[in-house]
Amino acid sequence: QKEVEQDPGPLSVPEGAIVSLNCTYSNSAFQYFMWYRQYSRKGPELLMYTYSSGNKEDGRFTAQVDKSSKYISLFIRDSQPSDSATYLCAMSVNNRLAFGKGNQVVVIP
Amino acid sequence: NAGVMQNPRHLVRRRGQEARLRCSPMKGHSHVYWYRQLPEEGLKFMVYLQKENIIDESGMPKERFSAEFPKEGPSILRIQQVVRGDSAAYFCASSPEGDRLSARGKLFFGSGTQLSVL
Repeated sequence: QKEVEQDPGPLSVPEGAIVSLNCTYSNSAFQYFMWYRQYSRKGPELLMYTYSSGNKEDGRFTAQVDKSSKYISLFIRDSQPSDSATYLCAMSVNNRLAFGKGNQVVVIP
Repeated sequence: NAGVMQNPRHLVRRRGQEARLRCSPMKGHSHVYWYRQLPEEGLKFMVYLQKENIIDESGMPKERFSAEFPKEGPSILRIQQVVRGDSAAYFCASSPEGDRLSARGKLFFGSGTQLSVL
């Protein structure tokens, strides 16, 4: 079983729709939970970061963590064409990040 | 304030040659990480270095791969006798000195080096 599972299927949505992404994990030692955004030919950039179960909002973005179910989610409200990118979930233990495979999101104008 | 700088952006090598990838962390950062992104795979941790020290190399292949972060100059990821399976995007990330954000995943990534082995 992989440490982090993220269904890598691409996702196309119309502008203004809600984007919903999720990951599951198996390692109970993970301490912090993140979502990174990666544009084509660029490195990942940190989008959302949290360490406890519950919701965290930042503008149009909401990160959700459920440690009991080992499940994290990212919601993007009022999606924009500029949100088109690959979204990677990541989890940290000690000095290492474990990443999911990423979801390519395309927001169609 | 320049971000994490990696060079070259693209590197082509023939099987058996050596590849050297360079990474200059953000100003003020002394923690450097290397990750590899294979096609259809997520980013995989390779190594974590601080100035002149390898802290965690648990993700490095046992042979042919080495990394350093000298007192002066960039961090170097070196791959000897490259094989086709080494073809991947290699990303460097950094975090500030004395800041445990590195343990919490707040890393700043460069744009990567795409290594192609012919």
